[in-house]
Amino acid sequence: KQEVTQIPAALSVPEGENLVLNCSFTDSAIYNLQWFRQDPGKGLTSLLLIQSSQREQTSGRLNASLDKSSGRSTLYIAASQPGDSATYLCAVKAAGNKLTFGGGTRVLVKP
Amino acid sequence: EPEVTQTPSHQVTQMGQEVILRCVPISNHLYFYWYRQILGQKVEFLVSFYNNEISEKSEIFDDQFSVERPDGSNFTLKIRSTKLEDSAMYFCASSSWSSGSTDTQYFGPGTRLTVL
Repeated sequence: KQEVTQIPAALSVPEGENLVLNCSFTDSAIYNLQWFRQDPGKGLTSLLLIQSSQREQTSGRLNASLDKSSGRSTLYIAASQPGDSATYLCAVKAAGNKLTFGGGTRVLVKP
Repeated sequence: EPEVTQTPSHQVTQMGQEVILRCVPISNHLYFYWYRQILGQKVEFLVSFYNNEISEKSEIFDDQFSVERPDGSNFTLKIRSTKLEDSAMYFCASSSWSSGSTDTQYFGPGTRLTVL
C-alpha cells in the first residue's frame, strides 16, 4: 500500500528565503506526482505535475524534482513571499485513478 | 480559466439524514473524483467515475455512499444516512483523461459537511 510522507509538518521562514519542501513515497511504481497548495478552509490548487519519466518541472519561482528510484520529490520555492504562506501537499498517482496524498507542510513566510 | 465548482460550500445536517453534495466538473473532462479530508487528517480518495460508472472506489466508499451524473454537467455524491464521522471537507475533482502520466486532477473548493 502506497504511503506518502511530508517532512517537516510545519516551516517558518523570513521573507526572501528559499523554501525546500520534502515528499517521500514508499512504492516507486508511480505514473506522476502532483504538488498542490491549500489555503486555510479552501480547496486544492494544482501547482506542478511531474511525470514519472521526468526529473524536474519548473513554473515561475517553483521548481519540483523527482527521484523515483529513491521515492522522493522536493518542491523548491525561490525568494519566498508572505503570499506563499499556505499548506503544500504532494500526491502520487500509481496504477488506477486515485491520488494518494501526504499530510502536507504548513508554511509561514514572515514579513 | 475553467474551474471545478461545488455546492453548497457548507452543509449542516442531523445524524441519519441524507445529504447530496453537488459538483460541476470542467466541461470537457471525462473523469470525475470525490475525495474527503477530515479535519487535521490527510486528503483521502473516495471514488472515481468514468463513462457513467464507478471505475475505482476505496474501502471508505461503502453502501452508504453513491455517485451519479444525472445530466451532462453535474456530478453528485450522496450519503444515505450520515454519521458523525462523515463530518469532513469533501472535494470534487476532474481530469481530461486518467490512463496516462500527464493527467492533472483539478479540484473544486470543497463542501464542508458537518453532521450533528
